[in-house]
Amino acid sequence: GENVEQHPSTLSVQEGDSAVIKCTYSDSASNYFPWYKQELGKRPQLIIDIRSNVGEKKDQRIAVTLNKTAKHFSLHITETQPEDSAVYFCAAAYYMYSGGGADGLTFGKGTHLIIQP
Amino acid sequence: DGGITQSPKYLFRKEGQNVTLSCEQNLNHDAMYWYRQDPGQGLRLIYYSQIVNDFQKGDIAEGYSVSREKKESFPLTVTSAQKNPTAFYLCASERGAGELFFGEGSRLTVL
Repeated sequence: GENVEQHPSTLSVQEGDSAVIKCTYSDSASNYFPWYKQELGKRPQLIIDIRSNVGEKKDQRIAVTLNKTAKHFSLHITETQPEDSAVYFCAAAYYMYSGGGADGLTFGKGTHLIIQP
Repeated sequence: DGGITQSPKYLFRKEGQNVTLSCEQNLNHDAMYWYRQDPGQGLRLIYYSQIVNDFQKGDIAEGYSVSREKKESFPLTVTSAQKNPTAFYLCASERGAGELFFGEGSRLTVL
């Protein structure tokens, strides 16, 4: 099965600086790579995702890059703000676009991002 | 207002008791999932169902059971066979193209 490794487990950055979280995956068949943000006591929420037919995707201050050859993908947050403090999870899955859905996401263990004022 | 509802939010159980966690969605999603979250462990897949009356084991299915008799409902039973059941349980449905939408979770504590 798929295995997703995520680093670092804790990341502390100064407000306004950039943060980068990295993940590697093991199954070369995986083609869907989402990132979830979980605030304390809340549900995980999707913040950005990327599919294997693109190498980079941006949404305002967040971006994700994918290197299929090396089997790794990264989350980049620029101009960090206090509300970015949370736990971030990467995940991977093989999704059948012809139908049938996904057999569930395999998640990394999470990165606790701390934004220092 | 469409969404996914988990209940109860908090549950306490004595050792040896079975408990059932409820998960209901009115989003008309076909696929539903149960994940377990432990500190520092991420989210681990327990069971999933892509269609009514069908479900598959995930990575940590031992000690758990599910049913999918209706599209809207995917209850999880934590049995006495689960050795370490204290955890935060998250139910999710698939919004489309792989994207999961999570409920607010149920926290189970075994006394």
